[in-house]
Amino acid sequence: QVQLQESGPGLVKPSDTLSLTCAVSGGSISTYYWSWIRQPPGKGLEWIGHAHYTGTTDYNYNPSLTSRVTISLNTSKNQFSLMLRSVTAADTAVYYCARGSPVAGYWGQGTLVTVSS
Amino acid sequence: EIVMTQSPATLSVSPGERATLSCRASQSVSSHLAWYQQKPGQAPRLLISGTSTRATDIPARFSGSGSGTEFTLTISSLQSEDFAVYYCQQYNNWPPTFGQGTKVEI
Repeated sequence: QVQLQESGPGLVKPSDTLSLTCAVSGGSISTYYWSWIRQPPGKGLEWIGHAHYTGTTDYNYNPSLTSRVTISLNTSKNQFSLMLRSVTAADTAVYYCARGSPVAGYWGQGTLVTVSS
Repeated sequence: EIVMTQSPATLSVSPGERATLSCRASQSVSSHLAWYQQKPGQAPRLLISGTSTRATDIPARFSGSGSGTEFTLTISSLQSEDFAVYYCQQYNNWPPTFGQGTKVEI
């Protein structure tokens, strides 16, 4: 059974870069698509983007975030990461990593990231 | 991007009753529609993809139907563990987009 676990700072200052990592166990990240999805407190879900390893890594990002976001895969550590640059309060959310795109079949428990000075 | 609209926002039902949740897309998404269940403090859980295909270990009381722009999630006989927020998601166009959710409460 695949398991995903997010980790990273819970507090980020405005204009800084948000960085999160998702550790994957029970399966290799060299297969499947790997996604990040976020949920502002009390609100709905937003798909951030995905990465997929096919010898090289393919990416696809939400156009609303594409100028600020990078998703990367680390096959040696079996984990993947999210970087979101120039954050504002609007980026405060629970960030989920997930397996699958565009349908997310397995999810991490989520991690709350608050953007505040 | 495609806008997904769910109704009602809140559905009050009793255990054992049938619940019908609606989801409308701003343009056709063919059959590329998924449903997720989210309980407080938990990650969403995939219930259905491809409009009507239940995910692994999802009970048969959950069923999905529809096509194009109109979709329905039916819970045939509500159990106590089914009280949650339900989201529809289209994946016909990038980016995938979610509805705002329907809360099923007692």
